[in-house]
Amino acid sequence: AQTVTQSQPEMSVQEAETVTLSCTYDTSESDYYLFWYKQPPSRQMILVIRQEAYKQQNATENRFSVNFQKAAKSFSLKISDSQLGDAAMYFCAYRSANFGNEKLTFGTGTRLTIIP
Amino acid sequence: GAVVSQHPSRVICKSGTSVKIECRSLDFQATTMFWYRQFPKQSLMLMATSNEGSKATYEQGVEKDKFLINHASLTLSTLTVTSAHPEDSSFYICSARDNLPNEQFFGPGTRLTVL
Repeated sequence: AQTVTQSQPEMSVQEAETVTLSCTYDTSESDYYLFWYKQPPSRQMILVIRQEAYKQQNATENRFSVNFQKAAKSFSLKISDSQLGDAAMYFCAYRSANFGNEKLTFGTGTRLTIIP
Repeated sequence: GAVVSQHPSRVICKSGTSVKIECRSLDFQATTMFWYRQFPKQSLMLMATSNEGSKATYEQGVEKDKFLINHASLTLSTLTVTSAHPEDSSFYICSARDNLPNEQFFGPGTRLTVL
């Protein structure tokens, strides 16, 4: 079974600074997807960024980028120019690429606080 | 963009009663929907996978007779918590998979409180 580990229960960053959230995972599969989701106080899950394992290039979405290290099974999220609206719980998630097995496995989450 | 709604957003019920939560995909057809449970300050735990027109697949440890899931159409899945007890109090979140095979869209969640 796949597992996802987020070793940082809480992180804080000064507004406008850069922060990196860590995520490691364990799987025996070679093809899969990785995601970062944001859950603000409203508790609505919002997709921040996704990475296909077969792609070597790291995904980027505006101020959000990932460092995907397949061999190390590491998938960190970098948030640049942090904004107050970035304050939320961040969950790393894994999904198999096998058809019929689309369930997401989530890490335990990292609570990000933005310091004004 | 793809939108998923849940109803109700919050519900309070007495112990022993049943509660139904609806999950709807508003602008796409979802052959697969997922039900998650989230305890305070914890992660999302998958309860079951719901496929339109077939029986749901439950995760290990989830009582299928207690958490009844019905996926009667391509836009609607329901979760019924039968004979609810205080320990069933939690935040329930659904998600729906659209035609893209690699993305799920989440509903806003339902907070269930059992007195």
